[in-house]
Amino acid sequence: GDSVTQMEGPVTLSEEAFLTINCTYTATGYPSLFWYVQYPGEGLQLLLKATKADDKGSNKGFEATYRKETTSFHLEKGSVQVSDSAVYFCALITGNQFYFGTGTSLTVIP
Amino acid sequence: GAVVSQHPSRVICKSGTSVKIECRSLDFQATTMFWYRQFPKKSLMLMATSNEGSKATYEQGVEKDKFLINHASLTLSTLTVTSAHPEDSSFYICSARAAGRNTEAFFGQGTRLTVV
Repeated sequence: GDSVTQMEGPVTLSEEAFLTINCTYTATGYPSLFWYVQYPGEGLQLLLKATKADDKGSNKGFEATYRKETTSFHLEKGSVQVSDSAVYFCALITGNQFYFGTGTSLTVIP
Repeated sequence: GAVVSQHPSRVICKSGTSVKIECRSLDFQATTMFWYRQFPKKSLMLMATSNEGSKATYEQGVEKDKFLINHASLTLSTLTVTSAHPEDSSFYICSARAAGRNTEAFFGQGTRLTVV
Protein backbone atom coordinates (compact mmCIF):
# COMPACT_ATOMS: atom_id res chain seq x y z
CA GLY A 1 0.00 0.00 0.00
CA ASP A 2 0.88 3.67 -0.10
CA SER A 3 3.26 4.92 2.55
CA VAL A 4 5.79 7.56 3.54
CA THR A 5 9.19 6.84 5.05
CA GLN A 6 10.88 9.69 6.78
CA MET A 7 14.35 10.13 8.18
CA GLU A 8 14.40 9.46 11.89
CA GLY A 9 15.57 12.10 14.26
CA PRO A 10 16.25 13.85 16.37
CA VAL A 11 18.39 16.21 14.35
CA THR A 12 20.49 18.86 16.08
CA LEU A 13 22.19 21.57 14.06
CA SER A 14 24.01 24.78 14.73
CA GLU A 15 22.50 28.00 13.50
CA GLU A 16 23.21 28.69 9.81
CA ALA A 17 23.93 25.03 9.08
CA PHE A 18 22.48 23.27 6.04
CA LEU A 19 19.45 21.08 6.65
CA THR A 20 18.27 17.99 4.81
CA ILE A 21 15.44 15.78 6.03
CA ASN A 22 14.92 12.77 3.81
CA CYS A 23 11.50 11.55 2.76
CA THR A 24 10.66 8.76 0.34
CA TYR A 25 7.29 7.48 -0.62
CA THR A 26 5.46 4.53 -2.11
CA ALA A 27 2.32 5.21 -4.06
CA THR A 28 0.38 3.44 -6.76
CA GLY A 29 -1.32 6.53 -8.12
CA TYR A 30 -0.25 10.13 -8.65
CA PRO A 31 0.12 11.60 -5.20
CA SER A 32 0.58 15.12 -4.02
CA LEU A 33 3.38 15.56 -1.51
CA PHE A 34 3.55 17.87 1.47
CA TRP A 35 5.75 18.96 4.31
CA TYR A 36 4.07 20.04 7.54
CA VAL A 37 5.73 21.67 10.54
CA GLN A 38 4.66 21.41 14.16
CA TYR A 39 5.99 23.92 16.68
CA PRO A 40 5.95 22.91 20.35
CA GLY A 41 2.45 22.71 21.79
CA GLU A 42 0.76 23.53 18.50
CA GLY A 43 -1.02 21.80 15.67
CA LEU A 44 0.49 21.21 12.25
CA GLN A 45 1.01 23.91 9.67
CA LEU A 46 1.45 23.34 5.97
CA LEU A 47 5.01 24.30 5.08
CA LEU A 48 5.12 23.51 1.37
CA LYS A 49 3.67 21.22 -1.23
CA ALA A 50 4.19 19.80 -4.72
CA THR A 51 1.47 18.28 -6.80
CA LYS A 52 3.32 16.66 -9.69
CA ALA A 53 6.69 15.31 -10.67
CA ASP A 54 9.54 17.85 -10.86
CA ASP A 55 7.53 20.48 -8.99
CA LYS A 56 9.48 22.35 -6.36
CA GLY A 57 7.67 23.55 -3.28
CA SER A 58 9.21 26.38 -1.30
CA ASN A 59 8.39 28.52 1.70
CA LYS A 60 10.33 30.38 4.40
CA GLY A 61 13.64 29.31 2.87
CA PHE A 62 12.67 25.63 2.83
CA GLU A 63 12.52 23.71 -0.44
CA ALA A 64 11.56 20.24 -1.59
CA THR A 65 11.44 18.79 -5.08
CA TYR A 66 9.05 16.04 -6.14
CA ARG A 67 11.33 13.39 -7.65
CA LYS A 68 9.35 10.63 -9.26
CA GLU A 69 12.42 8.71 -10.42
CA THR A 70 13.69 8.33 -6.86
CA THR A 71 10.24 8.58 -5.21
CA SER A 72 11.59 11.24 -2.90
CA PHE A 73 10.62 14.61 -1.51
CA HIS A 74 13.56 15.67 0.65
CA LEU A 75 13.26 18.87 2.66
CA GLU A 76 16.20 21.29 2.51
CA LYS A 77 17.14 24.66 3.91
CA GLY A 78 20.41 26.38 3.27
CA SER A 79 20.77 28.16 6.60
CA VAL A 80 18.65 27.15 9.58
CA GLN A 81 17.67 29.45 12.42
CA VAL A 82 16.83 28.76 16.04
CA SER A 83 13.20 29.53 15.20
CA ASP A 84 13.15 26.55 12.82
CA SER A 85 13.28 24.17 15.77
CA ALA A 86 10.17 22.04 15.39
CA VAL A 87 8.95 18.65 14.25
CA TYR A 88 8.65 18.18 10.49
CA PHE A 89 6.25 15.72 8.89
CA CYS A 90 6.34 14.50 5.32
CA ALA A 91 2.92 13.57 3.94
CA LEU A 92 1.37 12.07 0.87
CA ILE A 93 -2.16 12.41 -0.39
CA THR A 94 -3.58 10.27 -3.11
CA GLY A 95 -7.27 10.51 -3.80
CA ASN A 96 -8.86 10.73 -0.38
CA GLN A 97 -6.13 8.85 1.49
CA PHE A 98 -3.66 10.77 3.57
CA TYR A 99 -0.40 9.30 4.88
CA PHE A 100 2.11 10.82 7.30
CA GLY A 101 5.72 10.08 7.99
CA THR A 102 6.73 9.56 11.59
CA GLY A 103 8.06 13.09 12.01
CA THR A 104 11.60 14.39 12.43
CA SER A 105 12.44 16.57 15.37
CA LEU A 106 14.85 19.41 14.57
CA THR A 107 16.66 21.43 17.21
CA VAL A 108 18.77 24.38 16.12
CA ILE A 109 21.25 25.67 18.66
CA PRO A 110 22.71 29.18 18.64
CA GLY B 1 -4.12 29.11 3.72
CA ALA B 2 -7.43 27.82 4.99
CA VAL B 3 -8.22 28.01 8.68
CA VAL B 4 -9.27 25.20 10.95
CA SER B 5 -10.20 26.16 14.49
CA GLN B 6 -10.07 23.63 17.29
CA HIS B 7 -11.53 24.28 20.70
CA PRO B 8 -10.68 24.09 23.53
CA SER B 9 -6.91 24.29 23.36
CA ARG B 10 -6.56 22.87 26.85
CA VAL B 11 -8.96 21.01 29.10
CA ILE B 12 -8.64 19.32 32.44
CA CYS B 13 -11.39 16.98 33.51
CA LYS B 14 -12.10 14.51 36.26
CA SER B 15 -11.88 10.81 35.66
CA GLY B 16 -15.24 9.40 34.57
CA THR B 17 -16.53 12.56 32.95
CA SER B 18 -16.91 13.26 29.23
CA VAL B 19 -15.16 15.91 27.20
CA LYS B 20 -16.15 17.35 23.83
CA ILE B 21 -13.63 18.81 21.41
CA GLU B 22 -14.79 20.87 18.45
CA CYS B 23 -13.15 21.27 15.09
CA ARG B 24 -14.40 23.91 12.68
CA SER B 25 -13.34 24.81 9.17
CA LEU B 26 -13.75 28.57 9.03
CA ASP B 27 -13.43 29.39 5.36
CA PHE B 28 -14.05 26.22 3.41
CA GLN B 29 -16.34 23.24 3.38
CA ALA B 30 -14.66 20.23 4.93
CA THR B 31 -16.03 17.12 3.33
CA THR B 32 -13.55 14.99 5.26
CA MET B 33 -12.21 15.47 8.75
CA PHE B 34 -9.57 13.47 10.54
CA TRP B 35 -8.91 13.05 14.24
CA TYR B 36 -5.43 12.26 15.49
CA ARG B 37 -3.88 11.54 18.83
CA GLN B 38 -0.29 12.43 19.53
CA PHE B 39 1.77 11.08 22.40
CA PRO B 40 4.81 12.98 23.71
CA LYS B 41 7.67 12.93 21.22
CA LYS B 42 5.67 10.63 18.97
CA SER B 43 4.10 10.89 15.57
CA LEU B 44 0.43 11.39 14.87
CA MET B 45 -1.83 8.41 15.31
CA LEU B 46 -4.90 8.52 13.11
CA MET B 47 -7.95 7.68 15.20
CA ALA B 48 -10.75 8.08 12.72
CA THR B 49 -11.85 9.61 9.46
CA SER B 50 -15.25 11.18 9.07
CA ASN B 51 -17.13 12.30 6.02
CA GLU B 52 -19.94 14.79 6.41
CA GLY B 53 -23.23 13.08 7.04
CA SER B 54 -21.71 9.62 7.40
CA LYS B 55 -20.53 7.52 10.28
CA ALA B 56 -16.87 7.84 11.09
CA THR B 57 -14.42 5.16 10.07
CA TYR B 58 -12.28 4.19 13.03
CA GLU B 59 -8.75 2.84 12.86
CA GLN B 60 -8.01 -0.52 14.30
CA GLY B 61 -7.70 -0.47 18.06
CA VAL B 62 -9.67 2.76 18.55
CA GLU B 63 -12.80 2.27 20.64
CA LYS B 64 -15.68 3.86 18.79
CA ASP B 65 -17.89 3.86 21.88
CA LYS B 66 -15.28 5.73 23.83
CA PHE B 67 -14.29 8.25 21.17
CA LEU B 68 -17.52 9.48 19.65
CA ILE B 69 -17.13 11.43 16.44
CA ASN B 70 -19.85 13.49 14.85
CA HIS B 71 -19.53 15.30 11.52
CA ALA B 72 -22.98 16.77 11.17
CA SER B 73 -22.12 19.67 8.91
CA LEU B 74 -19.53 20.65 6.35
CA THR B 75 -17.84 22.98 8.82
CA LEU B 76 -18.00 21.16 12.14
CA SER B 77 -16.83 17.87 13.56
CA THR B 78 -16.75 16.95 17.22
CA LEU B 79 -14.82 14.35 19.18
CA THR B 80 -16.29 13.34 22.52
CA VAL B 81 -14.12 11.36 24.90
CA THR B 82 -16.61 9.50 27.06
CA SER B 83 -15.89 8.35 30.60
CA ALA B 84 -12.39 9.70 30.38
CA HIS B 85 -9.55 8.09 32.28
CA PRO B 86 -6.01 9.28 32.96
CA GLU B 87 -4.68 7.11 30.13
CA ASP B 88 -6.78 9.18 27.72
CA SER B 89 -4.65 12.20 28.56
CA SER B 90 -3.01 13.25 25.32
CA PHE B 91 -2.79 15.85 22.59
CA TYR B 92 -5.67 15.54 20.13
CA ILE B 93 -5.50 17.17 16.72
CA CYS B 94 -8.12 17.49 14.03
CA SER B 95 -7.61 18.17 10.35
CA ALA B 96 -9.99 18.97 7.55
CA ARG B 97 -9.95 18.63 3.80
CA ALA B 98 -12.15 20.06 1.13
CA ALA B 99 -13.52 17.95 -1.68
CA GLY B 100 -11.27 17.36 -4.64
CA ARG B 101 -8.49 15.07 -5.60
CA ASN B 102 -5.24 15.43 -3.68
CA THR B 103 -6.27 18.54 -1.78
CA GLU B 104 -4.17 19.24 1.28
CA ALA B 105 -5.36 18.92 4.84
CA PHE B 106 -5.42 21.85 7.24
CA PHE B 107 -4.92 21.29 10.91
CA GLY B 108 -6.42 22.64 14.06
CA GLN B 109 -4.26 23.96 16.86
CA GLY B 110 -4.69 20.82 18.92
CA THR B 111 -6.28 20.14 22.30
CA ARG B 112 -4.26 19.13 25.34
CA LEU B 113 -6.50 16.86 27.41
CA THR B 114 -5.52 16.06 30.96
CA VAL B 115 -7.67 13.64 32.94
CA VAL B 116 -7.12 13.73 36.68
